[in-house]
Amino acid sequence: DQQVKQNSPSLSVQEGRISILNCDYTNSMFDYFLWYKKYPAEGPTFLISISSIKDKNEDGRFTVFLNKSAKHLSLHIVPSQPGDSAVYFCAAVSNTGNQFYFGTGTSLTVIP
Amino acid sequence: NAGVMQNPRHLVRRRGQEARLRCSPMKGHSHVYWYRQLPEEGLKFMVYLQKENIIDESGMPKERFSAEFPKEGPSILRIQQVVRGDSAAYFCASSRVLTPEQYFGPGTRLTVT
Repeated sequence: DQQVKQNSPSLSVQEGRISILNCDYTNSMFDYFLWYKKYPAEGPTFLISISSIKDKNEDGRFTVFLNKSAKHLSLHIVPSQPGDSAVYFCAAVSNTGNQFYFGTGTSLTVIP
Repeated sequence: NAGVMQNPRHLVRRRGQEARLRCSPMKGHSHVYWYRQLPEEGLKFMVYLQKENIIDESGMPKERFSAEFPKEGPSILRIQQVVRGDSAAYFCASSRVLTPEQYFGPGTRLTVT
């Protein structure tokens, strides 16, 4: 039962352009969402998060948007850089527990 | 400021042996989580521990798997009588009290031959 879904397994973007990674969830009890970046043979690295009381959170080149009614969030990276090439996971957690639910990841390739 | 540490990074076991995976959380973090990533899949929650307590083990297989986080020392994920299907990357994460952000270690890649 995949409660957090990333339907695009891969994405390629030209350097300097915008990368948009999408994530959908099914559980309306989720109230906190996070994005992680993962390089091969390393653990996931926390990137940015958003609480359900907000619809946007920005940190440098990274912006996360949350659409609660659609149960959808997205991560925008602009401008994209070759060093951004990695697998990106979205995760969700509910206020009734500490368990993170992860999506299956989107592999981003930024082409120089 | 050291991050989450896991060892060993790679572990090879024959079927039927025991595997012990260790995790030292970040300084100041009292919550530890274990996740498993099977090939071509995302991370799946296994267990959430605080010092000397298992808080949520709903993602842990009922048999052969156990976890602890003693008062002193690292958290241990123990897999008894390993089978080929246990081959995966096992990640540990830690967090502070009352903050949702979890910080991950580099993982232990378990291979069962």
